[in-house]
Amino acid sequence: GEDVEQSLFLSVREGDSSVINCTYTDSSSTYLYWYKQEPGAGLQLLTYIFSNMDMKQDQRLTVLLNKKDKHLSLRIADTQTGDSAIYFCAVEGTNAGKSTFGDGTTLTVKP
Amino acid sequence: GAGVSQSPSNKVTEKGKDVELRCDPISGHTALYWYRQSLGQGLEFLIYFQGNSAPDKSGLPSDRFSAERTGGSVSTLTIQRTQQEDSAVYLCASSLGPGDGAYEQYFGPGTRLTVT
Repeated sequence: GEDVEQSLFLSVREGDSSVINCTYTDSSSTYLYWYKQEPGAGLQLLTYIFSNMDMKQDQRLTVLLNKKDKHLSLRIADTQTGDSAIYFCAVEGTNAGKSTFGDGTTLTVKP
Repeated sequence: GAGVSQSPSNKVTEKGKDVELRCDPISGHTALYWYRQSLGQGLEFLIYFQGNSAPDKSGLPSDRFSAERTGGSVSTLTIQRTQQEDSAVYLCASSLGPGDGAYEQYFGPGTRLTVT
């Protein structure tokens, strides 16, 4: 089955850019998602990218997709303390409707 | 409109007891998912419903776990003879589907289960 990997922790200073990386194994993946989980809350979709795109920008968020290397990244510009959360990469493969989630990257933003 | 709701929000139970967790998906969402999130861990997929049927039960950890969905809406996850390792946050999500487009999953706030 699909395997999705993320680094577990990232720490940045307020105002810097954050880059969260994700790798996956299923080359037939269709949609790739980034979710955010704030403390004590459920997950909330931040953004997604379709597999025929290599970049998507949405305000402070930039998603880059390298299909050849099966690598997805999320860049947060001008990171704020409110961005501190766990970020999950999720990949939807051939089984439409079912996404495989990574273990999440805990982003800590220091003032 | 209302989001995904789960009840109870917290459940403390004694080892060996059965528990039932409930999920109310967003109205009109045909797909429903159960996940488990242990402390400091990622999401562990448990089961996926499309309508009332479960095409993928591959994540259920043991035969003590079962889930059902009736009327294409509410789902219950039942854990029999609970064990301490069942302690976790159980998350439910729902999405539109099948069809074209991205399957954004809308998550509930979770049920925190503690087995003593």
